[in-house]
Amino acid sequence: TQLLEQSPQFLSIQEGENLTVYCNSSSVFSSLQWYRQEPGEGPVLLVTVVTGGEVKKLKRLTFQFGDARKDSSLHITAAQPGDTGLYLCAGTRQYNAGGTSYGKLTFGQGTILTVHP
Amino acid sequence: NAGVTQTPKFQVLKTGQSMTLQCAQDMNHEYMSWYRQDPGMGLRLIHYSVGAGITDQGEVPNGYNVSRSTTEDFPLRLLSAAPSQTSVYFCASGLGGFGPEAFFGQGTRLTVV
Repeated sequence: TQLLEQSPQFLSIQEGENLTVYCNSSSVFSSLQWYRQEPGEGPVLLVTVVTGGEVKKLKRLTFQFGDARKDSSLHITAAQPGDTGLYLCAGTRQYNAGGTSYGKLTFGQGTILTVHP
Repeated sequence: NAGVTQTPKFQVLKTGQSMTLQCAQDMNHEYMSWYRQDPGMGLRLIHYSVGAGITDQGEVPNGYNVSRSTTEDFPLRLLSAAPSQTSVYFCASGLGGFGPEAFFGQGTRLTVV
């Protein structure tokens, strides 16, 4: 059972269109991260959202954390071919061991975005 | 800036062989982890470590061993490779506190035949 459900799994759009990727869970996360991954590379962090209802903007990308900290969305305005890639959401849950607090990441399945010129 | 370095980048193994995937980070991060990435599955946690000498199992630990003798290194051992272990493996390091940001290596593409 996937703890984080990401949708859609594939998205193919034309340059200039808008799109939204969703990341949903029944669990509460202490924070949520969005990563972008290009072929042959590891994921690279785009943003971390921490507070319920938080909205962060990164140029044409808008990230929102749900009020209950169970879901998140990534909205891209006027997509460009350079936005093509795999987008991953990941939720952090806090654990305590031996007096140390640390977070573990759980990833969604990913969304493969292709933006055609 | 080296960040997280994984070796090798590609590897082909025969069923039953063993090998070690290397991971090293130079950011003095306490938290290191290994993931495998399969199509449509995102990244799944294999093992992780919150500091030298401390390791624990993740979501899919069977068939893999880890150890953490130094802060910098976190090798992943495949004990007896199976075709089901064909995957892309990523090592990550990060700050273990609230809202960790994970820094990933470039991955090791492993094929078991």
